[in-house]
Amino acid sequence: EAGVVQSPRYKIIEKKQPVAFWCNPISGHNTLYWYRQNLGQGPELLIRYENEEAVDDSQLPKDRFSAERLKGVDSTLKIQPAELGDSAVYLCASSNRDGAEQYFGPGTRLTVT
Amino acid sequence: AQSVTQPDIHITVSEGASLELRCNYSYGATPYLFWYVQSPGQGLQLLLKYFSGDTLVQGIKGFEAEFKRSQSSFNLRKPSVHWSDAAEYFCAVRGSSASKIIFGSGTRLSIRP
Repeated sequence: EAGVVQSPRYKIIEKKQPVAFWCNPISGHNTLYWYRQNLGQGPELLIRYENEEAVDDSQLPKDRFSAERLKGVDSTLKIQPAELGDSAVYLCASSNRDGAEQYFGPGTRLTVT
Repeated sequence: AQSVTQPDIHITVSEGASLELRCNYSYGATPYLFWYVQSPGQGLQLLLKYFSGDTLVQGIKGFEAEFKRSQSSFNLRKPSVHWSDAAEYFCAVRGSSASKIIFGSGTRLSIRP
């Protein structure tokens, strides 16, 4: 069974440019999470989806970040415009409905110059 | 407030020596506890989890952890480390009725030949 797939693995952009990350969760997992992991820190939740619905986006900086999960499967996280402080690893995870165990993708390492 | 503290930022142990990584949590309700490992450039892999029952839980790769409610701790142990155990280790907590996981800041493990 394939794990959580993320692309791209690495992205370097200049500040003020837009960027998008894509995630394909484990088949059958209804819940999808986007985390941001700053250097030397643990992941912090940005947004959680139950199927197509964003049920927790309280930590998502909505002025520049947006996310969608059309059809309740794949998801895209976008930043527009990017700032230097957005440099981090963006992790996607998925779980079944009860969310007891989350499975993580390899992440996208974003560098904003 | 919910929080997880990993007091050791970096630990170095000799190959073949025993290991204990500390984790303390603060959570008002019954916690679910996790240990994840992250190798360089990789996502997080679940080592073990505690939901209820026996307070000593066994995980993958020879790791175990003990839940001590009186000390609000969930320390990770391994009797004999291998060079391949060098990685970042994260302790995490969530509530039994919640999906949001709170991560600690991680402990980086180095192995001395």
